[in-house]
Amino acid sequence: EVQVVESGGGLVQPGGSLKLSCAASGFTVSGSAMHWVRQASGKGLEWVGRMRSKANNYATGYAESVKGRFTISRDDSKNTAYLQMNSLKIEDTAVYYCTWGLGERYQWGQGTLVTVSS
Amino acid sequence: DIQMTQSPSTLSASVGDRVTITCRASQSISSWLAWYQQKPGKAPKLLIYKASSLESGVPSRFSGSGSGTEFTLTISSLQPDDFATYYCHHYNSYFYTFGQGTKLEIK
Repeated sequence: EVQVVESGGGLVQPGGSLKLSCAASGFTVSGSAMHWVRQASGKGLEWVGRMRSKANNYATGYAESVKGRFTISRDDSKNTAYLQMNSLKIEDTAVYYCTWGLGERYQWGQGTLVTVSS
Repeated sequence: DIQMTQSPSTLSASVGDRVTITCRASQSISSWLAWYQQKPGKAPKLLIYKASSLESGVPSRFSGSGSGTEFTLTISSLQPDDFATYYCHHYNSYFYTFGQGTKLEIK
């Protein structure tokens, strides 16, 4: 069964750091791009960033709102990607979803909640 | 940057109605468009990908059409379980862009 599972969310103070994980199972991610998406409570979906496949040099791209603070990485041997979030702000509070390319579509996880609050 | 404009933002309809949601891209995106359904507290659920391909397990009353800059999601006969928020989503390996969402409400 194809599945994507995010983990690592939680409560963090403003200015703090958190690292999210995104594990894929049921398929091999080595040829896939992956993206992170977030959704604040009651709001729409916002693209956070992406990392392309090894064949595309693991190229990354980020939304302006997180550039310089968030870093995406991946370990294809573990079928897992990561989102390192530094200098967190209150407005980063959201459910974070990861998605993996799978053919002509993307497979989404169920999300992990990040709350930035003092 | 490519912008996705989704309309309407809210739609009131009754069980059995046929409804259509539209998404317009600011420039051509070929057929790289998906439609998602989202219910409160849940992850988005993929309905349609590549503009018109029905995701496995999704009822056939859902259909998608379009290419280039104009896309539509049609629900042929609304069921009680269909009342939710719907998003269009332009995707590729470089970036994502989302529509603002359409909340489908019971009339």
